[in-house]
Amino acid sequence: DVKVTQSSRYLVKRTGEKVFLECVQDMDHENMFWYRQDPGLGLRLIYFSYDVKMKEKGDIPEGYSVSREKKERFSLILESASTNQTSMYLCASSSGALAGMDTQYFGPGTRLTVL
Amino acid sequence: AQTVTQSQPEMSVQEAETVTLSCTYDTSESNYYLFWYKQPPSRQMILVIRQEAYKQQNATENRFSVNFQKAAKSFSLKISDSQLGDTAMYFCAFIQTGANNLFFGTGTRLTVIP
Repeated sequence: DVKVTQSSRYLVKRTGEKVFLECVQDMDHENMFWYRQDPGLGLRLIYFSYDVKMKEKGDIPEGYSVSREKKERFSLILESASTNQTSMYLCASSSGALAGMDTQYFGPGTRLTVL
Repeated sequence: AQTVTQSQPEMSVQEAETVTLSCTYDTSESNYYLFWYKQPPSRQMILVIRQEAYKQQNATENRFSVNFQKAAKSFSLKISDSQLGDTAMYFCAFIQTGANNLFFGTGTRLTVIP
């Protein structure tokens, strides 16, 4: 079974803090994704990575950056957290072998609250 | 731009009954894939079913089946013999062939009533 893990289930930070969300997958997948999930808005893609050190912006990259130094690990960084970044953050990975029809495997999510 | 619309924020169904969740999408592309994902309460999102747009035959996975109407850009999910474990948030999603960017709808919260 594919396993995607996220470093924290719940996180509380203060406005202006730098926040790191970590995601690790164990299936040697090429692609990794960070989504933000908000009620009534569904999931929105923040960034994705299709290879080590490669990244592309998604629909809502403002206020976020990412890092992928190793294939299995994809980090989401909030340089200066703000209250409007309070949300559920979901990480996902896919093999990249099937040009779009890959299944994306999701982590359990991190519920971030910024005070 | 691709958009995915789920017009039913919440639905409920009696155990053992059948329920249909609606999804429409908008795209100018002809080659794409459609998905239904399930997110149980406090659990990880998992794939329920997938449909290739070039296939006319509707996908089925056990009690889950889709009604794919390409011309109408409609992709509904039918759950037969509903079980308590089907209680979850269901998301419809679209991806263009060759792309990596999934577009999700806003979700339908389904409750199965004992």
